[in-house]
Amino acid sequence: DAGVIQSPRHEVTEMGQEVTLRCKPISGHNSLFWYRQTMMRGLELLIYFNNNVPIDDSGMPEDRFSAKMPNASFSTLKIQPSEPRDSAVYFCASSLRISNTGELFFGEGSRLTVL
Amino acid sequence: AQKVTQAQTEISVVEKEDVTLDCVYETRDTTYYLFWYKQPPSGELVFLIRRNSFDEQNEISGRYSWNFQKSTSSFNFTITASQVVDSAVYFCALSEETSGSRLTFGEGTQLTVNP
Repeated sequence: DAGVIQSPRHEVTEMGQEVTLRCKPISGHNSLFWYRQTMMRGLELLIYFNNNVPIDDSGMPEDRFSAKMPNASFSTLKIQPSEPRDSAVYFCASSLRISNTGELFFGEGSRLTVL
Repeated sequence: AQKVTQAQTEISVVEKEDVTLDCVYETRDTTYYLFWYKQPPSGELVFLIRRNSFDEQNEISGRYSWNFQKSTSSFNFTITASQVVDSAVYFCALSEETSGSRLTFGEGTQLTVNP
């Protein structure tokens, strides 16, 4: 079975540009998570969805960040406009159920560099 | 509020040595779940183990073992007879019953196993 698929794997962009990161969760999983990893702040949860509905977006840094999940097999994380401090690795993860007894399956991450 | 502390930023050992990675957590919930994830140099996050707060039995899986002690709020991870392939960043994580699948990660411990 395919794991969580993220694209792009690497993105380099200039400050002010719009960035869209994409995620395809594991088929059948009904919970999806976006995490950000930086040296300074480690792994932070940005937002998570259950059955395509955003449950907790309190980790989203500011209005420049938005996430959508139009269907069970696709999610996007958008940054507009991007800033250098957004440079990080963004991970998408999915889980079979929202219960915290379930393990999260992570994608390989999208490494974003904002110049 | 939930918090996970991994005091060891970096550990370096020689192959075949045993090594223990420390994890201390804070939570107000009586029901919670603890996790360990491995992040090899390739960058993906790999699930290793999950324990719930009602099960303090230590667990062994091959060269890996975990020691969960509620009295000291610790969930330590030991690798026996370490190998070069064990080199990675290891994250301890916590989720509370009241916060769904929201994982709070520790800062991570970079383990380097030298030949």
